[in-house]
Amino acid sequence: RKEVEQDPGPFNVPEGATVAFNCTYSNSASQSFFWYRQDCRKEPKLLMSVYSSGNEDGRFTAQLNRASQYISLLIRDSKLSDSATYLCVVILGTGGFKTIFGAGTRLFVKA
Amino acid sequence: EAGVVQSPRYKIIEKKQPVAFWCNPISGHNTLYWYRQNLGQGPELLIRYENEEAVDDSQLPKDRFSAERLKGVDSTLKIQPAELGDSAVYLCASSDQTGIYEQYFGPGTRLTVT
Repeated sequence: RKEVEQDPGPFNVPEGATVAFNCTYSNSASQSFFWYRQDCRKEPKLLMSVYSSGNEDGRFTAQLNRASQYISLLIRDSKLSDSATYLCVVILGTGGFKTIFGAGTRLFVKA
Repeated sequence: EAGVVQSPRYKIIEKKQPVAFWCNPISGHNTLYWYRQNLGQGPELLIRYENEEAVDDSQLPKDRFSAERLKGVDSTLKIQPAELGDSAVYLCASSDQTGIYEQYFGPGTRLTVT
């Protein structure tokens, strides 16, 4: 089993739709969680951190469920510019942390 | 503020040849990462530096890969000799040691081994 697994995608949605991605992680020592966005042939960029209490940034909401070991990303009112690959990132431990990326979920938003 | 700088952006070499990638992190960032990203996959950590010290190189194929970060600033990743399976994008990232460990990535070097 992979340490971090994501919905395989691709997700094809119309503009204005709401779409949700899930990501599961296997190591209960996981300490920090993030969503990164990666455009085609570009580098990953931080989208948002994920906190136990949930985190909202405009149309984007991220949530963490430690008991079930998954994180989610919800995008409301999808825009064409949201088309990208969304990478789930888990950091293990504190001082000696290790970063693990998921394989990513591809999103296509169509007019 | 300048971002993470990498060079070259593209490299095509024949198998068995050596290749080197260079990275200059964001000024003041103590932590530097090298990742390899294959098509359709997420970045895979190769090595992480805290200043000059390689604190996690467990995923670095040490028979052919080497890295250094002299003076704790810029870094070089080398492959010698390259194999066909090394074709990938090599990403460098840096972060400071405060807050949420947000990693800032460079544009990457796209390596093709023929």
